Amino acid sequence: AQTVTQSQPEMSVQEAETVTLSCTYDTSESNYYLFWYKQPPSRQMILVIRQEAYKQQNATENRFSVNFQKAAKSFSLKISDSQLGDTAMYFCALRSDSNYQLIWGAGTKLIIKP
Amino acid sequence: DTGVSQDPRHKITKRGQNVTFRCDPISEHNRLYWYRQTLGQGPEFLTYFQNEAQLEKSRLLSDRFSAERPKGSFSTLEIQRTEQGDSAMYLCASSLATSGGSGNTIYFGEGSWLTVV
Repeated sequence: AQTVTQSQPEMSVQEAETVTLSCTYDTSESNYYLFWYKQPPSRQMILVIRQEAYKQQNATENRFSVNFQKAAKSFSLKISDSQLGDTAMYFCALRSDSNYQLIWGAGTKLIIKP
Repeated sequence: DTGVSQDPRHKITKRGQNVTFRCDPISEHNRLYWYRQTLGQGPEFLTYFQNEAQLEKSRLLSDRFSAERPKGSFSTLEIQRTEQGDSAMYLCASSLATSGGSGNTIYFGEGSWLTVV
């Protein structure tokens, strides 16, 4: 069975600070993909960043970057220069080539304070 | 706008009534998914289509739920004899089936909120 665990139910930081959200996963698949999705109060699920497991280089998207530790099965999200608009629920998700479903973590509520 | 679109965005219905939601996936995406999400929870998988074929239904999807994708483009999710426990947001998503790359990314619509009173 594949699982995704987010151990931080809620985090709060000041605007402009850097914050790291944790995610660990478990899978026996050799080829898989990891995602961070953001869900703001408007409720639309928005893709933040993705990482292919076969790539050693950590993915980056502007202020968002990941620390992908394949051996440790860890996939953390770092948000630099946090902005008020980053306030949202953040979900870590896993998908393998053999499974069309996304396996979701429980989410981390991130609050950016002015 | 070339994203996933859902209609209606909000629906309030009386218990026992039927409701139908529509989803238009991203053009040329051959995979379409329905998820359900309640407050404070992550999405729960309901069902999945590849083209017009419904390939998987979750145990969460009772006999009162039916989904179709008749021409492999848009999809509908119907809930019959609604119950208060059906109140949730119903998310539609789509992706392009490829062996790798961006095809493994699932893109979501804005969701359809259902409130059963």
